[in-house]
Amino acid sequence: QSVLTQPPSASGTPGQRVTISCSGSSSNIGSNTVNWYQQLPGTAPKLLIYSNNQRPSGVPDRFSGSKSGTSASLAISGLQSEDEADYYCAAWDDSHVVFGGGTKLTVL
Amino acid sequence: QVQLVQSGAEVKKPGASVKVSCKASGYTFTSYYMHWVRQAPGQGLEWMGIINPSGGSTSYAQKFQGRVTMTRDTSTSTVYMELSSLRSEDTAVYYCAREGGGLVDAFDIWGQGTMVTVSS
Repeated sequence: QSVLTQPPSASGTPGQRVTISCSGSSSNIGSNTVNWYQQLPGTAPKLLIYSNNQRPSGVPDRFSGSKSGTSASLAISGLQSEDEADYYCAAWDDSHVVFGGGTKLTVL
Repeated sequence: QVQLVQSGAEVKKPGASVKVSCKASGYTFTSYYMHWVRQAPGQGLEWMGIINPSGGSTSYAQKFQGRVTMTRDTSTSTVYMELSSLRSEDTAVYYCAREGGGLVDAFDIWGQGTMVTVSS
């Protein structure tokens, strides 16, 4: 059971906008920033969003993040087939890092 | 370019230990904390701990306390993760991940992963 709660799956058609939620508590999301990682099949995770809503260079602006209270969300607009992947949220909790269980995004 | 290159796959028997290496290049090794994260087959990401390559200080997830040791060698820009008393549930891909400095409070660079299989 993961400390951060994500829906196990999400889906959308090409061009659609999808959102993935991440729910935590006051000790993690409520008091620290949230990061999002994308993991394509068979590869290492890749940083997608940091500090709630910042994109590293090279990440398309179709990806955006937000945070409110003890919850965060990742939005993907203009969905593309190559976005099919697992997505994980993460945050610091006390002196350790906690992850969400991951959301498998399917592009129909 | 900035990269982390990990050692190759390992097969171990229950009760044994495994030591995985992660060699950094393309940046100042001692300026960035390094984390270890593992992923069991078909499962999510699990944080194991952190090492400060500068002074060598460490902090481990409670679940691995007493079984994991993270060390570093500044002469070769390499960090190591040793896990002892292996059991089948430790079968997983083990990743090292750099924590970005300054405002990037996230894992900005990841190693390619090392598969560790624990089987009798």
